[in-house]
Amino acid sequence: GAVVSQHPSWVICKSGTSVKIECRSLDFQATTMFWYRQFPKQSLMLMATSNEGSKATYEQGVEKDKFLINHASLTLSTLTVTSAHPEDSSFYICSAITGAGSTSPLHFGNGTRLTVT
Amino acid sequence: DAKTTQPTSMDCAEGRAANLPCNHSTISGNEYVYWYRQIHSQGPQYIIHGLKNNETNEMASLIITEDRKSSTLILPHATLRDTAVYYCIVKGYTGKLIFGQGTTLQVKP
Repeated sequence: GAVVSQHPSWVICKSGTSVKIECRSLDFQATTMFWYRQFPKQSLMLMATSNEGSKATYEQGVEKDKFLINHASLTLSTLTVTSAHPEDSSFYICSAITGAGSTSPLHFGNGTRLTVT
Repeated sequence: DAKTTQPTSMDCAEGRAANLPCNHSTISGNEYVYWYRQIHSQGPQYIIHGLKNNETNEMASLIITEDRKSSTLILPHATLRDTAVYYCIVKGYTGKLIFGQGTTLQVKP
């Protein structure tokens, strides 16, 4: 149980275009999802927290107008990287939990490798 | 949420127990200790978590000291497939998981 599916697993796009990444909880309802970014040889960095039906909360230094997050249902959150540039190339990973205050573990997707050319 | 300190890297012989330490001296009473691992180019995988009692599941055991200021993750019989970066994280009421640098465990034949 507790499977989180992320799509696509990798994407290559041209500079200036936008890319959408989907994160789905397959066998549970996720009231809260988290988006992370990971650069090579570095740890995961939390970008934002999204709660179903409300606006996402972004971590300090993360541009909310560049990284659009939509959590329209209890099983789907999307991250759109707008006007992507080469410095946005990274490994993007989502995770989901049934409740933000819950002690239940977060479950992670397998990540999306974004390359901007 | 409390910060954690882990060794940068460790080696373990295949078939032996791997003991990964973690210090979390500023942990507060309602914060849990979680362990995840990340194999190259994959999302993190949940291993185990606990509050103050020792925990065991099919993957590992978690030993938390009585003062809760440190813990040890034990992989009882390490295999080559256990080679990964292991993260010890303290999570509080916010629900956020803030990752540190973790311990790179290399299991050697």
